Amino acid sequence: SAVISQKPSRDICQRGTSLTIQCQVDSQVTMMFWYRQQPGQSLTLIATANQGSEATYESGFVIDKFPISRPNLTFSTLTVSNMSPEDSSIYLCSVAHQGSYGYTFGSGTRLTVV
Amino acid sequence: AQKITQTQPGMFVQEKEAVTLDCTYDTSDPSYGLFWYKQPSSGEMIFLIYQGSYDQQNATEGRYSLNFQKARKSANLVISASQLGDSAMYFCAMRERGYSTLTFGKGTMLLVSP
Repeated sequence: SAVISQKPSRDICQRGTSLTIQCQVDSQVTMMFWYRQQPGQSLTLIATANQGSEATYESGFVIDKFPISRPNLTFSTLTVSNMSPEDSSIYLCSVAHQGSYGYTFGSGTRLTVV
Repeated sequence: AQKITQTQPGMFVQEKEAVTLDCTYDTSDPSYGLFWYKQPSSGEMIFLIYQGSYDQQNATEGRYSLNFQKARKSANLVISASQLGDSAMYFCAMRERGYSTLTFGKGTMLLVSP
């Protein structure tokens, strides 16, 4: 299965600023997924990132707030823009295993907005 | 309606005992996959076990087994011989045919005491 390096692991940010989270995969993958996990909650899919096309966002998430880049088959970034305390969450990237059923997750980015 | 239901917000078990974490699911698709993930306090998501809807036998992975009852639409995780390191949040998830992503339940917090 793929190995994902996600950075940063945690950050404390001022409201109104933006943070870019990076995920690097050790192999080429078609689809990458970005999730948000609010405190004490389950994982909610933000968007699916495909290389060479715009990300597909889930209901309740918009590109202006969560722009995503996918420049190649091993890398993606998620930016949390114009942050407010409500954006304090764990953000996780994930990839589907090629040729099998599983999913691998990055180690997560624990974001606190003050 | 929720697609994945985990009715136990928290579970307590003593070290070396077995514990069952409940998961029920809802789908009309005959082809689906069920997953269990462990999330320690560090935030990473660790894949534990997978059960396909057409699998004839219950999945097992070391101390983890999945009690799959298709007619009842339940996929309970059984952890045998609990260890202190098993203390974590546990999520049940499902992937349906035609969807590339996972749908997660709300999770169960497991605490293992000495």
